[in-house]
Amino acid sequence: AQKVTQAQTEISVVEKEDVTLDCVYETRDTTYYLFWYKQPPSGELVFLIRRNSFDEQNEISGRYSWNFQKSTSSFNFTITASQVVDSAVYFCALSEASFGNEKLTFGTGTRLTIIP
Amino acid sequence: DARVTQTPRHKVTEMGQEVTMRCQPILGHNTVFWYRQTMMQGLELLAYFRNRAPLDDSGMPKDRFSAEMPDATLATLKIQPSEPRDSAVYFCASGVGGGSRQPQHFGDGTRLSIL
Repeated sequence: AQKVTQAQTEISVVEKEDVTLDCVYETRDTTYYLFWYKQPPSGELVFLIRRNSFDEQNEISGRYSWNFQKSTSSFNFTITASQVVDSAVYFCALSEASFGNEKLTFGTGTRLTIIP
Repeated sequence: DARVTQTPRHKVTEMGQEVTMRCQPILGHNTVFWYRQTMMQGLELLAYFRNRAPLDDSGMPKDRFSAEMPDATLATLKIQPSEPRDSAVYFCASGVGGGSRQPQHFGDGTRLSIL
């Protein structure tokens, strides 16, 4: 069975600090996909990134970066020079590649608060 | 930007009433998902469709919930009769189905309160 663990329930940092959100996953499939979604206070879910299990290259998009390590089953998310607009709940999710199993299994989320 | 549209955004009703939530997926997306978000259970899949056919509804209480896709532009989730424990945010998401697991794009959700 697939599982995603986000051990950090809440994190608060002062604006401009860097912050890393942890995500650990479990799956029996050798092919799978990992995602991060952002849920701002307004409530919608915003897609941030998708990663497949064969691509372990780290990715950077502006102030956001992701570190994927299969050896530790982790897919961590770092925000550099955090801003108040980054305050949100962030969800890590997993989807196995097996046919008919396209659902996203979400972690419990990390609530990030950026203090001005 | 194309978006998934959900209606209504908010619904308050009394226990026992029928509730219908609607979703218009992004044009061209052939896979539609229904998720429920609660404080206790987090985000969990209720059901999903590919090309309007149900592929998995194992997360849905069958006695009171039903999900359908009357056509490619409309998905519905019905609860009858509703109960207070159904209070949650219901999200619809759509995507291009297949092995490459393209991202699912979510609507703004329907916030449901059953009194």
